[in-house]
Amino acid sequence: AQSVTQLGSHVSVSEGALVLLRCNYSSSVPPYLFWYVQYPNQGLQLLLKYTSAATLVKGINGFEAEFKKSETSFHLTKPSAHMSDAAEYFCAVSDPGGGADGLTFGKGTHLIIQP
Amino acid sequence: KAGVTQTPRYLIKTRGQQVTLSCSPISGHRSVSWYQQTPGQGLQFLFEYFSETQRNKGNFPGRFSGRQFSNSRSEMNVSTLELGDSALYLCASSLQGAETYEQYFGPGTRLTVT
Repeated sequence: AQSVTQLGSHVSVSEGALVLLRCNYSSSVPPYLFWYVQYPNQGLQLLLKYTSAATLVKGINGFEAEFKKSETSFHLTKPSAHMSDAAEYFCAVSDPGGGADGLTFGKGTHLIIQP
Repeated sequence: KAGVTQTPRYLIKTRGQQVTLSCSPISGHRSVSWYQQTPGQGLQFLFEYFSETQRNKGNFPGRFSGRQFSNSRSEMNVSTLELGDSALYLCASSLQGAETYEQYFGPGTRLTVT
């Protein structure tokens, strides 16, 4: 079975500072990895995905993530935080071989942007 | 292209009742997945339908069921509601399969059980 661990349920950064949201996964097969963002009272929006191509993945809104197999990590970064980035972020993993669990999500990290 | 739509957006039910939620996927998408989101358990996979067949199922009791129609629209049903069923229910659609292709989520249905 696959699992996802997001370190830090809350992360606070100053506007303009680096954003780093951590995600570690456990999977018995090479996984597909995703980052989603959820704004209050809305569904989830895909930020970026890793599907075994380039290990550095660029997404929307200036976010990027790097797949590191040796560390089983897929951390999300953004060089300069903006107030509009305040939201809940979810890391997710899937088994492209057809696992029975759909997407497995982490518990989420609430990103707070300090003015 | 219109996004994933879910109806209703908000619902209040009483313990013991049953409820049906509806999801219309993005046009052309054949896979519809359902997730339950609660503060305590986070996002949990309920089930996935593909071409009217349930392909995957999460670890939920049989009170949770679903179906998919020939136009890919999907419904999920919860019978004998319990207080713990209060949650945001999210529907997501994808072109082929939930495990391979990115999913597009609807805004969710907020269910409150009293």
